[in-house]
Amino acid sequence: DIQMTQSPSSLSASVGDRVTITCRASQSISNSLNWYQKKAGKAPNLLIYAASTVDGGVPSRFSGSGSGTDFTLTISSLQPEDFATYYCQQSNTAPYTFGQGTKLEIK
Amino acid sequence: QVQLVESGGGVVKSGESLRLSCAVSGFTFSGSYMSWIRQAPGEGLEWLSYISNSGRAIYYADSVKGRFTISRDNAKNSVYLQMNSLRVEDTAVYYCARGGASTGYFRHWGQGTLVTVSS
Repeated sequence: DIQMTQSPSSLSASVGDRVTITCRASQSISNSLNWYQKKAGKAPNLLIYAASTVDGGVPSRFSGSGSGTDFTLTISSLQPEDFATYYCQQSNTAPYTFGQGTKLEIK
Repeated sequence: QVQLVESGGGVVKSGESLRLSCAVSGFTFSGSYMSWIRQAPGEGLEWLSYISNSGRAIYYADSVKGRFTISRDNAKNSVYLQMNSLRVEDTAVYYCARGGASTGYFRHWGQGTLVTVSS
């Protein structure tokens, strides 16, 4: 199975900050990398698919990049509603593994 | 408007069975792969299984292979997860989601249903 490793596991930041979360795959997954935002008690929300395509309705402050094994999610200017847990997920090969999550907290 | 509604969760004892259902509307169900994904308390997301639009292609994560069975009824726009030999570690919120195989990302999710397995 492909292992997905996110860093950091948690992050404190302030409104207006630029934040970057990284995700590394244990083997090359081309651009088959997706990012989700998860808030407590709610279903995950797809932010980015195919490494860099922002899903419809997702604010433009979210962006993704990378290919092969190394990927990043960037939030250009944090808003209060962005404090949540973020997960990467590879869709190159089943089983479709998720990273362990990055909890983004208010500083 | 896309809707996925899970049902069937509850409290069971270790070794017992449970069947989850997910009723779908708002998109062409018969043309869509469907998956089940779960989140244990305080843990991350774990993909469990997908089923192809026809039902002929199925894949399971090792953690549930041999115990869980995914199925679908295109006439009822529903996907199911039969869970046998449940373990305490199967306690989680279970989500159905649209996607799997070629569309390996999950844009549409249900609200989740909680399964609690006690010892």
